[in-house]
Formats: sequence, structure tokens, C-alpha cells
Amino acid sequence: GQQVMQIPQYQHVQEGEDFTTYCNSSTTLSNIQWYKQRPGGHPVFLIQLVKSGEVKKQKRLTFQFGEAKKNSSLHITATQTTDVGTYFCAGPNTGTASKLTFGTGTRLQVTL
Amino acid sequence: KAGVTQTPRYLIKTRGQQVTLSCSPISGHRSVSWYQQTPGQGLQFLFEYFSETQRNKGNFPGRFSGRQFSNSRSEMNVSTLELGDSALYLCASSLAAIPFSYEQYFGPGTRLTVT
Repeated sequence: GQQVMQIPQYQHVQEGEDFTTYCNSSTTLSNIQWYKQRPGGHPVFLIQLVKSGEVKKQKRLTFQFGEAKKNSSLHITATQTTDVGTYFCAGPNTGTASKLTFGTGTRLQVTL
Repeated sequence: KAGVTQTPRYLIKTRGQQVTLSCSPISGHRSVSWYQQTPGQGLQFLFEYFSETQRNKGNFPGRFSGRQFSNSRSEMNVSTLELGDSALYLCASSLAAIPFSYEQYFGPGTRLTVT
């Protein structure tokens, strides 16, 4: 079945450093969604990308969808302690969009 | 607008029992999805309902079932509980008429512990 892997699993950065998480799907995705889950919280929607090669920015966050629509990345510039959490990508496979598969997640820890 | 609500928030059950979890979506959202989150398996899709019909189903045994009512509220049921069913069960609602084509709003989850 469809698998969505994210790397790294965990990253610890100093505040002000940049951070990137990569998402790779075994199948083509009709869209990619990114969510953030704070410790003890629930996933919160960040953004959705639909087009091949699409790039979207939200303040310090930059999201990219690969040309083949099988991979994506999230880059955070100058991390802050408020960025702490686990970042998940998620995507339905193309065609029937029969289920939404979440990536394995990247846990980000930011220290002063 | 009120967010997605789930009840109960915490639940402790014994192996072999059954449990029913409830989810109230955001007003106007007709799609409701359920997910199981565990440290080992991550976030896994259970099923998705739209206008009282199950549109999609994940790879879970038949012990896991759900339904959606005419007001879009949804319930999921797990019968014959096993220790491995201990997890955070998350419900998400969406405006999406096409499955997973739109953002999902998650509820706070129900933490189920099976002893």
C-alpha cells in the first residue's frame, strides 16, 4: 500500500537556526497537506499544495510540492520556540483518493 | 464558530469490552474522518463518512466500525477491545465534497487506555 515517509524523524535546533523536513510518498499524490501537532495537542492544518512544483510561503515557513507530486518539503527560517512540535505531511493517492495517508512525522525541538 | 468536539476525552476499558466514541464536526461540515494515533504506528486512517455514508475505509479489522447521523455527528465503535487498541482517537471534519481535497479540522481526541 501507499507509504509516506518523512525525514528526519527528530531534529533539535537552536533558536534562530533553519529547519527542513522532507516528505516522500511511494505513490503519486493528488495533493499534499501539512499539519503541526504540538506536544499533547492535536494536528492543526498548515497548508495544502495541489500543483506540481508548487511553492507556498507562510511568514517563515516555505512549502514545496515536487514536480512528480511524490515528494514535498517544509522549510522554517530562523526557528523560534513556538515552532516546537511534530510536523506531518499527508496525502491522498491519486485516482480514487480512497484514504489519506499521513507521513511518519518530524519532531522539532527548539532551544534557546 | 465552534471547533470539532469529541467525547469522552479520556476512557479506560478492560480487554474484551466495547467502546463508543463520539464526534461533533464543525457546523456545516459533512465529511468526518477518524484516525488512530499511537507512538509506534503514527497517525493511521480508520474511515471517512460523508452525508451518512462511509466513503472510505482504512486497513483496520472489522472490530472497528462507525456511523454518521443526519446532523453529521459521528460515532465510532470498537468491539472486543485488545491491549493494542490503546491509542489517541482523533476525529476530523472537512467541507470536502471530494474526499481529502480540502483541509481537515481535528478535534482534541479521545485517549483510550485498554487494560
